Amino acid sequence: AQSVAQPEDQVNVAEGNPLTVKCTYSVSGNPYLFWYVQYPNRGLQFLLKYITGDNLVKGSYGFEAEFNKSQTSFHLKKPSALVSDSALYFCAVIGRGGYQKVTFGIGTKLQVIP
Amino acid sequence: DAGVTQSPTHLIKTRGQHVTLRCSPISGHKSVSWYQQVLGQGPQFIFQYYEKEERGRGNFPDRFSARQFPNYSSELNVNALLLGDSALYLCASSLSSGIQETQYFGPGTRLLVL
Repeated sequence: AQSVAQPEDQVNVAEGNPLTVKCTYSVSGNPYLFWYVQYPNRGLQFLLKYITGDNLVKGSYGFEAEFNKSQTSFHLKKPSALVSDSALYFCAVIGRGGYQKVTFGIGTKLQVIP
Repeated sequence: DAGVTQSPTHLIKTRGQHVTLRCSPISGHKSVSWYQQVLGQGPQFIFQYYEKEERGRGNFPDRFSARQFPNYSSELNVNALLLGDSALYLCASSLSSGIQETQYFGPGTRLLVL
């Protein structure tokens, strides 16, 4: 069965420090991987996606993620965290079958401490 | 440019009632998808419509239905509401229905069933 794991409920990082939000997945076939961010009382906002090609994907607001096929991971990273990055982050995977087969993780709350 | 809009923003219903949620996609986008996000979980796919035709359906009972209109706006209908239908309902639009297309989410409709 297709699945996404976000092993940390919450990640705390000091402002200016690098941040990593972890995501691992299980899917049949080639994965399509996404990161979204959700601010309080808001919908999801697209950050970046991996479809094919370069394993390092750069996205919005200075975020990037690295697709690692052997470790089935797609960790989200940013070199220098901002207080405004504090939000809920969701990893999602699609295997075969289009968006009806999308699976989201349960989310990781990122808290950037001033 | 206006983003994805949803109405109403909040809704309170009682068990057994029916509800209609509305979504207007970004101008030029022909695909609309609906998701249910229960508190503390990631979104779950409900439907995808493209050019007024259903392109995908998630694992939801027949009480859930949707349609897309000629102007590409969409309605999600839920009959015989249950307490467990309480959630944030998200609409997302994209240019087409393909996986390569980025989905842009609206702010959601928060439904509370009493």
